[in-house]
Amino acid sequence: NAGVTQTPKFQVLKTGQSMTLQCAQDMNHEYMSWYRQDPGMGLRLIHYSVGAGITDQGEVPNGYNVSRSTTEDFPLRLLSAAPSQTSVYFCASSLVKGGGATGELFFGEGSRLTVL
Amino acid sequence: AQSVTQLDSHVSVSEGTPVLLRCNYSSSYSPSLFWYVQHPNKGLQLLLKYTSAATLVKGINGFEAEFKKSETSFHLTKPSAHMSDAAEYFCVVSDRRNNDMRFGAGTRLTVKP
Repeated sequence: NAGVTQTPKFQVLKTGQSMTLQCAQDMNHEYMSWYRQDPGMGLRLIHYSVGAGITDQGEVPNGYNVSRSTTEDFPLRLLSAAPSQTSVYFCASSLVKGGGATGELFFGEGSRLTVL
Repeated sequence: AQSVTQLDSHVSVSEGTPVLLRCNYSSSYSPSLFWYVQHPNKGLQLLLKYTSAATLVKGINGFEAEFKKSETSFHLTKPSAHMSDAAEYFCVVSDRRNNDMRFGAGTRLTVKP
Protein backbone atom coordinates (compact mmCIF):
# COMPACT_ATOMS: atom_id res chain seq x y z
CA ASN A 1 0.00 0.00 0.00
CA ALA A 2 2.49 2.67 -1.11
CA GLY A 3 -0.07 5.36 -2.06
CA VAL A 4 1.74 8.69 -2.57
CA THR A 5 5.48 8.62 -1.99
CA GLN A 6 7.57 11.77 -1.62
CA THR A 7 11.35 12.05 -1.52
CA PRO A 8 13.37 13.41 0.13
CA LYS A 9 11.69 13.87 3.53
CA PHE A 10 14.19 16.53 4.58
CA GLN A 11 16.48 18.82 2.61
CA VAL A 12 18.65 21.83 3.39
CA LEU A 13 19.68 24.11 0.53
CA LYS A 14 21.69 27.25 0.18
CA THR A 15 20.20 30.27 -1.54
CA GLY A 16 20.52 29.90 -5.32
CA GLN A 17 20.80 26.14 -5.40
CA SER A 18 18.36 24.05 -7.39
CA MET A 19 16.70 20.79 -6.50
CA THR A 20 13.85 18.49 -7.37
CA LEU A 21 11.24 17.09 -5.01
CA GLN A 22 10.01 13.74 -6.23
CA CYS A 23 6.42 12.49 -6.05
CA ALA A 24 5.12 9.13 -7.20
CA GLN A 25 1.71 7.50 -6.84
CA ASP A 26 0.65 3.94 -7.58
CA MET A 27 -3.14 4.43 -7.63
CA ASN A 28 -3.44 5.31 -11.32
CA HIS A 29 -4.71 8.78 -10.42
CA GLU A 30 -5.00 11.30 -13.23
CA TYR A 31 -4.83 14.34 -10.96
CA MET A 32 -1.66 15.24 -9.08
CA SER A 33 -0.76 18.43 -7.27
CA TRP A 34 1.83 20.16 -5.12
CA TYR A 35 1.03 22.24 -2.04
CA ARG A 36 3.17 24.17 0.36
CA GLN A 37 2.25 24.41 4.04
CA ASP A 38 3.31 27.42 6.06
CA PRO A 39 2.35 28.24 9.66
CA GLY A 40 -0.96 30.09 9.89
CA MET A 41 -1.57 29.88 6.14
CA GLY A 42 -2.87 26.37 5.60
CA LEU A 43 -2.03 24.67 2.34
CA ARG A 44 -1.57 26.64 -0.85
CA LEU A 45 -1.60 25.09 -4.29
CA ILE A 46 1.62 25.52 -6.29
CA HIS A 47 1.04 23.53 -9.50
CA TYR A 48 -1.24 20.74 -10.58
CA SER A 49 -1.73 18.27 -13.39
CA VAL A 50 -4.89 16.64 -14.71
CA GLY A 51 -3.03 14.02 -16.72
CA ALA A 52 0.25 13.12 -18.38
CA GLY A 53 1.54 16.01 -20.47
CA ILE A 54 -0.81 18.56 -18.87
CA THR A 55 0.18 20.97 -16.10
CA ASP A 56 -1.21 24.23 -14.80
CA GLN A 57 -0.41 26.88 -12.23
CA GLY A 58 -2.00 27.11 -8.84
CA GLU A 59 -2.12 29.91 -6.32
CA VAL A 60 1.64 30.33 -5.71
CA PRO A 61 3.58 29.05 -8.75
CA ASN A 62 6.47 31.53 -8.88
CA GLY A 63 9.91 29.95 -8.45
CA TYR A 64 8.68 26.42 -9.17
CA ASN A 65 8.49 24.23 -12.28
CA VAL A 66 6.70 20.96 -12.87
CA SER A 67 6.34 18.37 -15.60
CA ARG A 68 4.19 15.25 -15.98
CA SER A 69 5.69 12.76 -18.40
CA THR A 70 3.97 9.73 -16.83
CA THR A 71 0.76 9.14 -14.89
CA GLU A 72 2.75 8.00 -11.86
CA ASP A 73 5.29 10.80 -11.38
CA PHE A 74 5.02 14.54 -10.78
CA PRO A 75 8.33 16.16 -9.78
CA LEU A 76 8.56 19.71 -8.44
CA ARG A 77 11.66 21.71 -9.35
CA LEU A 78 13.06 24.69 -7.51
CA LEU A 79 15.23 26.50 -10.04
CA SER A 80 17.03 28.94 -7.71
CA ALA A 81 16.07 28.41 -4.09
CA ALA A 82 15.22 31.40 -1.91
CA PRO A 83 14.68 31.58 1.89
CA SER A 84 11.00 32.35 1.20
CA GLN A 85 10.70 28.82 -0.16
CA THR A 86 11.45 27.33 3.24
CA SER A 87 8.32 25.28 3.86
CA VAL A 88 6.80 21.82 4.06
CA TYR A 89 5.77 20.54 0.65
CA PHE A 90 2.99 18.04 0.08
CA CYS A 91 2.16 16.09 -3.02
CA ALA A 92 -1.46 14.98 -3.39
CA SER A 93 -3.30 12.89 -5.94
CA SER A 94 -6.87 11.88 -6.76
CA LEU A 95 -8.92 10.39 -9.55
CA VAL A 96 -9.97 13.82 -10.80
CA LYS A 97 -9.14 17.44 -10.01
CA GLY A 98 -9.84 18.47 -6.45
CA GLY A 99 -10.92 14.97 -5.51
CA GLY A 100 -14.13 15.27 -7.52
CA ALA A 101 -17.41 14.49 -5.79
CA THR A 102 -15.72 12.67 -2.94
CA GLY A 103 -13.27 15.48 -2.26
CA GLU A 104 -10.67 12.94 -1.30
CA LEU A 105 -7.13 13.91 -2.03
CA PHE A 106 -4.46 11.38 -1.09
CA PHE A 107 -1.41 13.04 0.43
CA GLY A 108 2.20 12.07 0.78
CA GLU A 109 3.94 12.49 4.13
CA GLY A 110 5.61 15.73 3.13
CA SER A 111 9.07 17.07 2.33
CA ARG A 112 10.53 19.59 4.75
CA LEU A 113 12.76 22.09 2.93
CA THR A 114 15.00 24.68 4.54
CA VAL A 115 16.73 27.32 2.43
CA LEU A 116 19.58 29.13 4.15
CA ALA B 1 -13.98 33.01 -5.47
CA GLN B 2 -14.36 30.94 -2.36
CA SER B 3 -12.54 31.21 0.94
CA VAL B 4 -12.60 29.58 4.33
CA THR B 5 -11.88 30.92 7.81
CA GLN B 6 -11.05 28.72 10.76
CA LEU B 7 -11.92 30.79 13.77
CA ASP B 8 -9.45 29.25 16.22
CA SER B 9 -5.80 28.55 15.55
CA HIS B 10 -5.54 26.39 18.68
CA VAL B 11 -8.11 24.52 20.74
CA SER B 12 -7.29 22.69 23.96
CA VAL B 13 -9.69 20.22 25.60
CA SER B 14 -9.52 17.58 28.29
CA GLU B 15 -9.88 13.94 27.40
CA GLY B 16 -13.54 12.91 27.50
CA THR B 17 -14.91 16.43 26.95
CA PRO B 18 -16.58 17.68 23.74
CA VAL B 19 -14.65 19.09 20.81
CA LEU B 20 -15.78 22.04 18.70
CA LEU B 21 -13.64 23.31 15.81
CA ARG B 22 -15.20 26.25 13.99
CA CYS B 23 -15.19 26.94 10.26
CA ASN B 24 -16.90 29.66 8.24
CA TYR B 25 -16.84 29.73 4.48
CA SER B 26 -17.50 32.15 1.67
CA SER B 27 -18.61 30.96 -1.74
CA SER B 28 -20.48 32.56 -4.61
CA TYR B 29 -21.75 29.15 -5.62
CA SER B 30 -23.11 26.16 -3.72
CA PRO B 31 -19.94 24.66 -2.25
CA SER B 32 -18.66 21.31 -1.25
CA LEU B 33 -17.03 21.32 2.19
CA PHE B 34 -14.55 18.99 3.80
CA TRP B 35 -12.56 18.46 6.95
CA TYR B 36 -9.08 16.96 6.75
CA VAL B 37 -6.91 15.85 9.67
CA GLN B 38 -3.12 15.91 9.86
CA HIS B 39 -1.36 13.95 12.56
CA PRO B 40 2.21 14.99 13.45
CA ASN B 41 4.69 14.46 10.61
CA LYS B 42 2.04 12.89 8.41
CA GLY B 43 0.09 13.83 5.32
CA LEU B 44 -3.52 14.98 5.43
CA GLN B 45 -6.38 12.50 5.58
CA LEU B 46 -10.03 13.09 4.70
CA LEU B 47 -12.20 13.15 7.84
CA LEU B 48 -15.61 13.91 6.34
CA LYS B 49 -17.33 15.70 3.45
CA TYR B 50 -20.49 17.62 2.62
CA THR B 51 -21.57 17.52 -1.02
CA SER B 52 -25.27 18.62 -0.86
CA ALA B 53 -26.93 15.56 0.59
CA ALA B 54 -27.65 15.46 4.34
CA THR B 55 -26.59 18.62 6.17
CA LEU B 56 -25.32 16.62 9.16
CA VAL B 57 -22.32 14.65 8.02
CA LYS B 58 -20.67 11.85 9.95
CA GLY B 59 -17.01 11.05 9.52
CA ILE B 60 -14.40 8.72 10.85
CA ASN B 61 -13.47 8.37 14.53
CA GLY B 62 -16.76 9.79 15.84
CA PHE B 63 -16.46 13.24 14.27
CA GLU B 64 -19.38 14.98 12.62
CA ALA B 65 -20.07 18.37 11.05
CA GLU B 66 -23.21 20.31 10.25
CA PHE B 67 -23.61 22.43 7.14
CA LYS B 68 -25.54 25.61 7.99
CA LYS B 69 -26.14 27.67 4.89
CA SER B 70 -27.78 30.56 6.75
CA GLU B 71 -24.68 30.93 8.94
CA THR B 72 -22.17 29.92 6.22
CA SER B 73 -20.63 27.55 8.74
CA PHE B 74 -19.37 23.98 8.80
CA HIS B 75 -18.24 23.35 12.37
CA LEU B 76 -16.61 20.06 13.36
CA THR B 77 -17.68 18.36 16.57
CA LYS B 78 -17.03 15.24 18.60
CA PRO B 79 -18.87 14.36 21.83
CA SER B 80 -15.86 13.01 23.69
CA ALA B 81 -12.21 13.75 22.90
CA HIS B 82 -9.61 11.03 22.88
CA MET B 83 -5.87 11.48 23.23
CA SER B 84 -5.43 10.17 19.68
CA ASP B 85 -7.50 13.11 18.36
CA ALA B 86 -4.60 15.48 18.97
CA ALA B 87 -3.73 16.75 15.50
CA GLU B 88 -4.17 19.67 13.13
CA TYR B 89 -7.53 20.01 11.40
CA PHE B 90 -8.19 21.77 8.11
CA CYS B 91 -11.52 22.99 6.78
CA VAL B 92 -11.66 23.00 2.97
CA VAL B 93 -14.14 24.59 0.56
CA SER B 94 -14.45 23.47 -3.03
CA ASP B 95 -16.14 25.21 -5.95
CA ARG B 96 -18.23 22.56 -7.70
CA ARG B 97 -17.98 24.32 -11.02
CA ASN B 98 -14.23 23.81 -11.37
CA ASN B 99 -13.23 21.77 -8.28
CA ASP B 100 -10.88 24.49 -7.05
CA MET B 101 -10.16 23.81 -3.39
CA ARG B 102 -9.23 26.34 -0.72
CA PHE B 103 -7.77 25.27 2.62
CA GLY B 104 -8.26 27.07 5.89
CA ALA B 105 -5.28 28.02 8.02
CA GLY B 106 -5.79 25.04 10.31
CA THR B 107 -6.75 24.48 13.95
CA ARG B 108 -4.37 22.63 16.21
CA LEU B 109 -6.25 20.43 18.69
CA THR B 110 -4.53 19.56 21.95
CA VAL B 111 -6.07 16.91 24.23
CA LYS B 112 -5.02 16.96 27.87
CA PRO B 113 -5.14 13.83 30.02
